[in-house]
Amino acid sequence: EVQLVESGGGLVQPGGSLRLSCAASGFTFSNYQMNWVRQAPGKGLEWVSYIDESSYKIQYADSVKGRFTVSRDNARNSLYLQMNSLRVEDTAVYYCARRHDGTLHQFQHWGQGTLVTVSS
Amino acid sequence: EIVLTQSPATLSLSPGERATLSCRASQTARSYLAWYQQKPGQAPRLLIYDTSNRATGIPARFSGSGSGTDFTLTISSLEPEDFAVYYCQQRSAWPLTFGGGTKVEI
Repeated sequence: EVQLVESGGGLVQPGGSLRLSCAASGFTFSNYQMNWVRQAPGKGLEWVSYIDESSYKIQYADSVKGRFTVSRDNARNSLYLQMNSLRVEDTAVYYCARRHDGTLHQFQHWGQGTLVTVSS
Repeated sequence: EIVLTQSPATLSLSPGERATLSCRASQTARSYLAWYQQKPGQAPRLLIYDTSNRATGIPARFSGSGSGTDFTLTISSLEPEDFAVYYCQQRSAWPLTFGGGTKVEI
């Protein structure tokens, strides 16, 4: 069974940093591209970042470009999101997500999410 | 960026009725559109990928159609567990984008 478990969320002041992790199990992690998607309280879904299997191709939403860095460790079956220069508007539940096997960039598997709150 | 506009924002229906949800793209999304269902406190659930393909375990009452800029999710006969928020998402171009959602309420 595919499992994705996020961790690392919490309360941070504006301008601060936080590192999120996503532990993957139940599939060959190194064979799959991964993504981060977030959802502000009471709002819709926003795609944040993409990383391919070998960390060669990486994409970011404009709203986080230059502040967030996605990475992965295939030996540890883990995905990361380093978030710097955090803003109040970054407050959200952050999900890691894996694609459906029959397509690209459409997400069959999601973690439970980790809440990031940016507030003074 | 491809902007996805979902309508209506809220759909008020009764169990057993047919639900028709719309997603319009600001430029062609080709056939690369997905639909998700989300209930309060839960992660989204993939229903339909690439316009019309049901994801694993999704009941046949959910169907998707469309192409280019106009897409539709149809729920043929609403079950009590179908009352939720639905999002469309395109993968035709970076950045990946989601629509603003349609809430299907009783």
